[in-house]
This record gives sequence, structure tokens and C-alpha cells, in this order.
Amino acid sequence: DAEITQSPRHKITETGRQVTLACHQTWNHNNMFWYRQDLGHGLRLIHYSYGVQDTNKGEVSDGYSVSRSNTEDLPLTLESAASSQTSVYFCASSVRWQLRHTEAFFGQGTRLTVV
Amino acid sequence: TQLLEQSPQFLSIQEGENLTVYCNSSSVFSSLQWYRQEPGEGPVLLVTVVTGGEVKKLKRLTFQFGDARKDSSLHITAAQPGDTGLYLCAGATSGTYKYIFGTGTRLKVLA
Repeated sequence: DAEITQSPRHKITETGRQVTLACHQTWNHNNMFWYRQDLGHGLRLIHYSYGVQDTNKGEVSDGYSVSRSNTEDLPLTLESAASSQTSVYFCASSVRWQLRHTEAFFGQGTRLTVV
Repeated sequence: TQLLEQSPQFLSIQEGENLTVYCNSSSVFSSLQWYRQEPGEGPVLLVTVVTGGEVKKLKRLTFQFGDARKDSSLHITAAQPGDTGLYLCAGATSGTYKYIFGTGTRLKVLA
């Protein structure tokens, strides 16, 4: 079955280290997204991509970067991890239907702790 | 920045009771979605509404999109413990495929 997987599921890292979270989908969806989820804030969009070589900043992109070299993967990199980036990170991909609308499918999340 | 505000933030009710969750914004959305999220899992799509005034029913769940496409509601009839979870609304503006999420409503249904 097609799916979207995130790795690792849990990660502890030290302040200042570079960290990369992986996201892989097998649906061949063009659209992929990274969100972070914190208590009281719901899901906030970090970066998104509408296709290979396309990346865009979301509402909380500072300190994060993404690259899209193929359809299946959108890795999220924290350039220099900070305690404020402790969060649960969700990757999603979406398919376009009726020309204007999309349905998103989420991974199971990565819990990142920066100490 | 577009904001989607959900109310209430927390809701604890007895099995069999009815409830309504609201999702409000000052922005107009081309479509609005509702998701449910369980602990340790990613959100799962429940419904997408795209037309102002649209009402969709999914068993005991009724979703409504406001006439002006700025707000939505989720009504659950005869809630069951299996309805427990975090309910999230998400809206997309015309011309984009990215969704902005609300802050969520955490529902607990007691047996």
C-alpha cells in the first residue's frame, strides 16, 4: 500500500547541532509539506513544495530548510538546533482533485527534543 | 497572517451528549477541511467542504461551511468514547494548495 513515512520517530539532539528529519511518500504526490505541532498552536506550516526543485517558506520557516530532489522525499533540516525547536514535526503530502482542492495525508510524526 | 480560531479549546462530555465545535476566521477560504488526530498519530482527514452553505454528514458527524466561506462547524450527535481526540480545521485560500490549521479542539468523551 502507498504510504508516507517519517524517520526517526524520536530524536534527541544538542543545541547547535544540525539535524535532518526524513519524509518519504510512495503516492507520487506532487505536493509535500512540513508542519510543527506545539500545544496551543495547532499545526504551523514550516516549508512546502509543489514539485521537484520547488520549495517555499511557510509561516515559521526561520532556522529550517528543505530541498526537493525527487518526488518521493522532502527532508527537513534544522541548521543549528535551538531549544525553541523542540516540537513534534509532521510531514504531509497531498493530491489535487477538482482542480482547486487537495486532500492531505500525514505521516506519524517525529518528536524532536533539543537539549 | 491568516488565522483560524477554534472553540472551545477543550471539551469533556458524557457519552450520548451532543456537541458542536466551531472554526472561525476573517479570511475567505476556497475549501475547508476537518481532521481528527489521536495521540501519537498524524491527523486523519474527515471531510472537505468547498461550497458556501454546504452541509456534509458522516454518520453521527455533521459539517457545515459558512455562507461566506469564513467559518465552519462540526456537530457530533450522541458522542461515543471513540470520538475522543483532537479535532482540527484547516483552510486553503484560492489559488494555493497549502492549508492553514486551526488551534484545535481536544474532545474527551467519558463512558
